[in-house]
Amino acid sequence: GAGVSQSPRYKVAKRGQDVALRCDPISGHVSLFWYQQALGQGPEFLTYFQNEAQLDKSGLPSDRFFAERPEGSVSTLKIQRTQQEDSAVYLCASSLGIDSSYEQYFGPGTRLTVT
Amino acid sequence: GESVGLHLPTLSVQEGDNSIINCAYSNSASDYFIWYKQESGKGPQFIIDIRSNMDKRQGQRVTVLLNKTVKHLSLQIAATQPGDSAVYFCAENLFSTGTASKLTFGTGTRLQVTL
Repeated sequence: GAGVSQSPRYKVAKRGQDVALRCDPISGHVSLFWYQQALGQGPEFLTYFQNEAQLDKSGLPSDRFFAERPEGSVSTLKIQRTQQEDSAVYLCASSLGIDSSYEQYFGPGTRLTVT
Repeated sequence: GESVGLHLPTLSVQEGDNSIINCAYSNSASDYFIWYKQESGKGPQFIIDIRSNMDKRQGQRVTVLLNKTVKHLSLQIAATQPGDSAVYFCAENLFSTGTASKLTFGTGTRLQVTL
């Protein structure tokens, strides 16, 4: 079956532009996570949704970062006024249930390069 | 796809040998640990997990060992194959809260399998 998909796979933005990154989780998955992975580093947590509710946004690095999941399925991560330090791979993961016993399935990521 | 782990520690092993990848975790409250494999251009892929009430768990060709006293995890891969070449991350989580929670990833190790 289909896994987690993300689009676009690659995005180049000029400093100061706004970007929107899309995540399509596995159908029926309740939980959705966003992570940021800098080059040579492990992924770092950004935010978590349970259905449409954003239950944890403690990892968002600034108020330029905003995420939504209005209908409890597709999610969008928006970055306003992009900066060079925003360059990274943005990973989305989904899981079937609402506790940590459920495996998180990762998408391929969107590589964002800010020039 | 882009290369993951350009500046990560590297373990080089010959095909057929056993590999041991080590990880130190940071949070003594973490009670659930997962090993992920990440190939270039892809998201992390689940390999094996272990709860803190265990010190060893075996899968197919893989074994995870947990030493809570020194906050150390290891991943052993038997009869390493070229397809095992990737970056490996340990991740820690909280299982006991009963809710989904963020994964905290370690820095990762690149495994190179030579023929």
